[in-house]
Amino acid sequence: KAGVTQTPRYLIKTRGQQVTLSCSPISGHRSVSWYQQTPGQGLQFLFEYFSETQRNKGNFPGRFSGRQFSNSRSEMNVSTLELGDSALYLCASSTGGTTTNEQFFGPGTRLTVL
Amino acid sequence: GENVEQHPSTLSVQEGDSAVIKCTYSDSASNYFPWYKQELGKGPQLIIDIRSNVGEKKDQRIAVTLNKTAKHFSLHITETQPEDSAVYFCAASTGTASKLTFGTGTRLQVTL
Repeated sequence: KAGVTQTPRYLIKTRGQQVTLSCSPISGHRSVSWYQQTPGQGLQFLFEYFSETQRNKGNFPGRFSGRQFSNSRSEMNVSTLELGDSALYLCASSTGGTTTNEQFFGPGTRLTVL
Repeated sequence: GENVEQHPSTLSVQEGDSAVIKCTYSDSASNYFPWYKQELGKGPQLIIDIRSNVGEKKDQRIAVTLNKTAKHFSLHITETQPEDSAVYFCAASTGTASKLTFGTGTRLQVTL
């Protein structure tokens, strides 16, 4: 079974621009969660989508948004990029059932904001 | 919200020795505790997890213990090998939420 895939793997943007990152979960998984990883703040939860609905949200500004499609693929968008948004963005998929399920991470998208 | 502390931040052991990484959590409602291994340039890989109704779980050279009363859990790696060198993260989750709160990571180096 194929793992979680994320595209693109690397991205360079300038301040003020916006960016869209994509995540394809493991086949059959309906939940996709997004995390930001930085050296200073570590791994932080952004949001989770399940069946096309945002089910959980972390403490990030409204510039960070996401969506999920009917095939469970998910995208996250960051608008008006700031230097501090430079990070590794990871998505994780799980079955999303009624009990806490194992989450499997993709390789991440490395975003650099200049 | 939940807070997870992880120690030590770096750990160097000789090949064949054991390694222990410890985490504490703050929310007594947390009931799921996974451990991830992250190698350079890769995403975190789930290596073992434990739920609050279990005190210990083992998978070959890796074991995790949970003390709900003290709110801490630990990762034990026995007979370490050079390929165990990586950054290890503990995490905690509450209820049915997929939101994981991570520790700050432990860089494990296994020397020959």
